[in-house]
Amino acid sequence: GNSVTQMEGPVTLSEEAFLTINCTYTATGYPSLFWYVQYPGEGLQLLLKATKADDKGSNKGFEATYRKETTSFHLEKGSVQVSDSAVYFCALLPRGGADGLTFGKGTHLIIQP
Amino acid sequence: DARVTQTPRHKVTEMGQEVTMRCQPILGHNTVFWYRQTMMQGLELLAYFRNRAPLDDSGMPKDRFSAEMPDATLATLKIQPSEPRDSAVYFCASVLGVGDTQYFGPGTRLTVL
Repeated sequence: GNSVTQMEGPVTLSEEAFLTINCTYTATGYPSLFWYVQYPGEGLQLLLKATKADDKGSNKGFEATYRKETTSFHLEKGSVQVSDSAVYFCALLPRGGADGLTFGKGTHLIIQP
Repeated sequence: DARVTQTPRHKVTEMGQEVTMRCQPILGHNTVFWYRQTMMQGLELLAYFRNRAPLDDSGMPKDRFSAEMPDATLATLKIQPSEPRDSAVYFCASVLGVGDTQYFGPGTRLTVL
């Protein structure tokens, strides 16, 4: 079956630090990959996505590259801000796109001033 | 700014009571998903509909959960009778077409005492 594994949290960083949140997946075929972000008390918002191998998704300074050879989709940001504090979810959509998303457990990111 | 709306935002009830959660998808979106978020299990897909027809409800406990879409602007998730283990945040998401981005509502936080 499909599964997503992401690093456990919480991850605590200082403002302006470099961020990496690891995500690896298991799926049949080539799924689409997503990062969603959840702020306290809110629903999930799409942060970025990639639909095929070697695609790079980017948004608000965050980036992730779809690596087929390592089945990974690591999230990176060069300089984090306090406002980036949230829970980040890696997710996959199976090939064909007709089903629901499979999510990782989420990584709680805390940025300290 | 089109959004998925969910009501109620919070619900506290006693074990054995019926709970109904409602979702209004973004106008024109033809697929609606129900997810449940708990600390232990993370985000799980419960059920989804396309063009109001149920496609998959294998993630739902059949004996107590039911999901319907009485019209294109309303999806409902009902639990009868509710149990403490049903305490979770229930999210609705809608999508325009197959493979498109899923847009999430703010969720209903359910507490069953």
